[in-house]
Amino acid sequence: GEDVEQSLFLSVREGDSSVINCTYTDSSSTYLYWYKQEPGAGLQLLTYIFSNMDMKQDQRLTVLLNKKDKHLSLRIADTQTGDSAIYFCAERENTGFQKLVFGTGTRLLVSP
Amino acid sequence: EAGVTQFPSHSVIEKGQTVTLRCDPISGHDNLYWYRRVMGKEIKFLLHFVKESKQDESGMPNNRFLAERTGGTYSTLKVQPAELEDSGVYFCASSLRDGEGHEQYFGPGTRLTVT
Repeated sequence: GEDVEQSLFLSVREGDSSVINCTYTDSSSTYLYWYKQEPGAGLQLLTYIFSNMDMKQDQRLTVLLNKKDKHLSLRIADTQTGDSAIYFCAERENTGFQKLVFGTGTRLLVSP
Repeated sequence: EAGVTQFPSHSVIEKGQTVTLRCDPISGHDNLYWYRRVMGKEIKFLLHFVKESKQDESGMPNNRFLAERTGGTYSTLKVQPAELEDSGVYFCASSLRDGEGHEQYFGPGTRLTVT
């Protein structure tokens, strides 16, 4: 079955770049997503990438997809303390169903 | 445009009791999904409605869980009887359609505590 893995924790200083990594197993995934969860809040869709793309940039966010290695990353430029949150990557399988398979989440801590 | 809303935000019940969670999707979204996160683990899919029909209920853990979406608008998820392992955060999400409009938007979640 599908499996999505992420490192559990990342700590950076304000102003640095953050890179959150994710690996997945389903090579037929159609879309891959990044969600952000702030304390006490729900999941906020940050960005997504279609499986036929290698890179997508959206303001401070850059998503890189390496299909050969089944590796997805989210780079946050000029990280701010407000970026501290849990970041989840998720894949959507290509089976006709639309369920998302999530990783365990990476807790990003940004220190001043 | 209002986002996905869930009620209640937090529920504390005793083992053996019944709890009903409610989700109101974004207006006009045909697709509605339930997920849950148990004990800080990964978020797991429960089921998917397209309008009022169950498209995929492969993630429902057992027959103590019953989801409905009468009329194709809001949905309820009933747990009866609740067990300790049902504690966690239950998320609802909705999306407009497949293809363009595939993005799933999540509600704030309902934190269920079974004691």
